[in-house]
Amino acid sequence: DTAVSQTPKYLVTQMGNDKSIKCEQNLGHDTMYWYKQDSKKFLKIMFSYNNKELIINETVPNRFSPKSPDKAHLNLHINSLELGDSAVYFCASSRGRAGTEAFFGQGTRLTVV
Amino acid sequence: AQKITQTQPGMFVQEKEAVTLDCTYDTSDQSYGLFWYKQPSSGEMIFLIYQGSYDEQNATEGRYSLNFQKARKSANLVISASQLGDSAMYFCAMREPFQGGKLIFGQGTELSVKP
Repeated sequence: DTAVSQTPKYLVTQMGNDKSIKCEQNLGHDTMYWYKQDSKKFLKIMFSYNNKELIINETVPNRFSPKSPDKAHLNLHINSLELGDSAVYFCASSRGRAGTEAFFGQGTRLTVV
Repeated sequence: AQKITQTQPGMFVQEKEAVTLDCTYDTSDQSYGLFWYKQPSSGEMIFLIYQGSYDEQNATEGRYSLNFQKARKSANLVISASQLGDSAMYFCAMREPFQGGKLIFGQGTELSVKP
């Protein structure tokens, strides 16, 4: 009964391909996020959704498109993958935008070759 | 400007001893939240502890406590009785109001617990 689960855990793909990462939370949270962790372990917000509405888009290239079919799911689709997209992508969720907890999924390690 | 600063890239501690991981933050808001996360070598991000800016008491969760000094804008994590399983990367993060709930992270501190 994982609280925030994302799939796949590992993704290896060639440049130019399109790929998706899926995220689901069973915590009843209404806000979900995508973070990117680079090779130096630095974590940065990419997107935030509240009740299926996009509220943060942190200057991410248009090739990245989040989709939230309902408030329990937030998927990330990446078009035309580039070498620089290689990173670990984390999904997270919280109750509202000022909650006292924010839980992360286990991460998806994306490697573009 | 760096909003969250963790000045210790790496730390060593002897098993069973206490260790303090430093975190300073910068905000002009009166209302904010501070978080600590643990990232073991397996890669997941584990939520450890939260401190609200209006909380008068320091937060504690088991062996973790947050030494919150508001005037100094510091939110250090104290781990008591270190265990080998505490070896991991530790991240401090801040959430500001009206920023969509996003967390701003520090650079992280890699803690190694020696037997």
